Amino acid sequence: KAGVTQTPRYLIKTRGQQVTLSCSPISGHRSVSWYQQTPGQGLQFLFEYFSETQRNKGNFPGRFSGRQFSNSRSEMNVSTLELGDSALYLCASSWGTYTGELFFGEGSRLTVL
Amino acid sequence: KNEVEQSPQNLTAQEGEFITINCSYSVGISALHWLQQHPGGGIVSLFMLSSGKKKHGRLIATINIQEKHSSLHITASHPRDSAVYICAVRYGSGATNKLIFGTGTLLAVQP
Repeated sequence: KAGVTQTPRYLIKTRGQQVTLSCSPISGHRSVSWYQQTPGQGLQFLFEYFSETQRNKGNFPGRFSGRQFSNSRSEMNVSTLELGDSALYLCASSWGTYTGELFFGEGSRLTVL
Repeated sequence: KNEVEQSPQNLTAQEGEFITINCSYSVGISALHWLQQHPGGGIVSLFMLSSGKKKHGRLIATINIQEKHSSLHITASHPRDSAVYICAVRYGSGATNKLIFGTGTLLAVQP
């Protein structure tokens, strides 16, 4: 059974650009959640999607957005990148929303110059 | 004060030792997760608890809902257990439901 796949694994952007990250969940999982990890703030919850609907959102500015497609694949977008957006972005999938074991991808490491 | 506190922040042990990592939280939760992260980023879910105790191999996780406290135990530790262990709690309902994380415990097991 394939795990959670995140693409791209590494990317470098400059301030002001935008970026789109992709997450393909484990087959059959309908919930995808996104997290930001930085050395200073640790792991922080971004948002969670279930059946194409955003169910909840963390305390991040509107520059951070996401969506989920009918096949449960999810994308997150960060617009007008800032230096502080440099981080490891992780997604996790689970069978149900709010409950269930989380299965994490390897992450997308974003560097903003 | 963080809503999820872990202790210790750093832990060095000798191979074979019994290890305990603690997690205290200040909110009412629906579930608690223990996660393991090796250098390079990948996170593995070890346990998800809402009550009682779970065991998987050499790992044991317990939770006391009344005391808002959970522990992760590693018996007969091994160098391959070296990693960051992260406690995360799920709380809230509906649109306010979220997962919040402790700052992690860096474990180094020396041979």
